[in-house]
Amino acid sequence: GQNIDQPTEMTATEGAIVQINCTYQTSGFNGLFWYQQHAGEAPTFLSYNVLDGLEEKGRFSSFLSRSKGYSYLLLKELQMKDSASYLCAVRSYQAGTALIFGKGTTLSVSS
Amino acid sequence: DAGVIQSPRHEVTEMGQEVTLRCKPISGHDYLFWYRQTMMRGLELLIYFNNNVPIDDSGMPEDRFSAKMPNASFSTLKIQPSEPRDSAVYFCASSSRTGADIQYFGAGTRLSVL
Repeated sequence: GQNIDQPTEMTATEGAIVQINCTYQTSGFNGLFWYQQHAGEAPTFLSYNVLDGLEEKGRFSSFLSRSKGYSYLLLKELQMKDSASYLCAVRSYQAGTALIFGKGTTLSVSS
Repeated sequence: DAGVIQSPRHEVTEMGQEVTLRCKPISGHDYLFWYRQTMMRGLELLIYFNNNVPIDDSGMPEDRFSAKMPNASFSTLKIQPSEPRDSAVYFCASSSRTGADIQYFGAGTRLSVL
């Protein structure tokens, strides 16, 4: 089976840096995705990693270590609008293009 | 592009009634996914289609749930009869192999079964 763990909640202040961790267990790993979901809205795609290393996209970066079954999402220069749930999702060869989502980390950014 | 379009946005119904949720994927996308999201269980995959053919329906909770994709631009998720425990937000998403399989989600249907 597959298992994905992420912290339930995190808090941070404006301008700070926050790292949201995700650990996973799956066979036939074929990619890890991060999505952002504001309350009452749909998940929106943030980043995708399939090889080890860091992918940077503006204020957001995502890191993957396949040998450790570990990823993190790094958010820099936090803004109030970054308050949202961040979902880690894993794809495996056995599941085709389907994604298995973690339960999400709710990030609250305060001023 | 208009993105993935779902209807209705909100649905309130009584236990035992039939509910039909609708989805129009992004034009040109060949994969379509139905998810259910609750506080307790998070975002769960119910079923997905490739080129209108169901590929994996192992997430469909029980026989009361059925999904169809009669053509490339339309899919339905039907619950009959509905029960209070079906109350959740139902999302539809679509993707394409040429787009690195990134899934794009619709705005969701918030279903309340009384």
